[in-house]
Amino acid sequence: DAGVTQSPTHLIKTRGQQVTLRCSPISGHKSVSWYQQVLGQGPQFIFQYYEKEERGRGNFPDRFSARQFPNYSSELNVNALLLGDSALYLCASSSMGDLPSNYGYTFGSGTRLTVV
Amino acid sequence: SQKIEQNSEALNIQEGKTATLTCNYTNYSPAYLQWYRQDPGRGPVFLLLIRENEKEKRKERLKVTFDTTLKQSLFHITASQPADSATYLCALLPGYSSASKIIFGSGTRLSIRP
Repeated sequence: DAGVTQSPTHLIKTRGQQVTLRCSPISGHKSVSWYQQVLGQGPQFIFQYYEKEERGRGNFPDRFSARQFPNYSSELNVNALLLGDSALYLCASSSMGDLPSNYGYTFGSGTRLTVV
Repeated sequence: SQKIEQNSEALNIQEGKTATLTCNYTNYSPAYLQWYRQDPGRGPVFLLLIRENEKEKRKERLKVTFDTTLKQSLFHITASQPADSATYLCALLPGYSSASKIIFGSGTRLSIRP
């Protein structure tokens, strides 16, 4: 059974451009969360979706947006890219919405975004 | 403001010894604490979860303690192996509706030398 899959694995964009990152959760998982991890730091929460509804939003500007589709896959969009948006973007899925399960969150391998 | 501190320096341990990693937090009352392993260029892998009313949790060579009075969690790897070399992250969650409130530490890089 496939784990959390993210695409693309690497991406290089120019300042001011827009980017869309994709995530497919583990089959049966209805919750997807997005995180930004800057080099040398821990992941920082961006969004959570559960059953296609936004359940939480981190402290990120409106340039960041996301959505979840009926098949529970998700997209993260970032507009007007800045150099500081360069990071590893991680997606995590969970079988539970609000409470963490005994199995924690399952992360994908991430998308490495470089803004030049 | 809420703050999590993990050993900022990399930890170098001789193979076979016990590695102990520290996670301290301030201005926070977590209901859950999780530990993850992260290899370079990969996403974190969940290892253990401990609840606020649990003092200790074990899984194979791993042991986690949670002291809510000291506001500290210790993560132990016994009989360490070079394959245990990675960055280890602690994460705190407040409880209900947690996913949006999860806070990660910046991680401790662990190196096990043969």
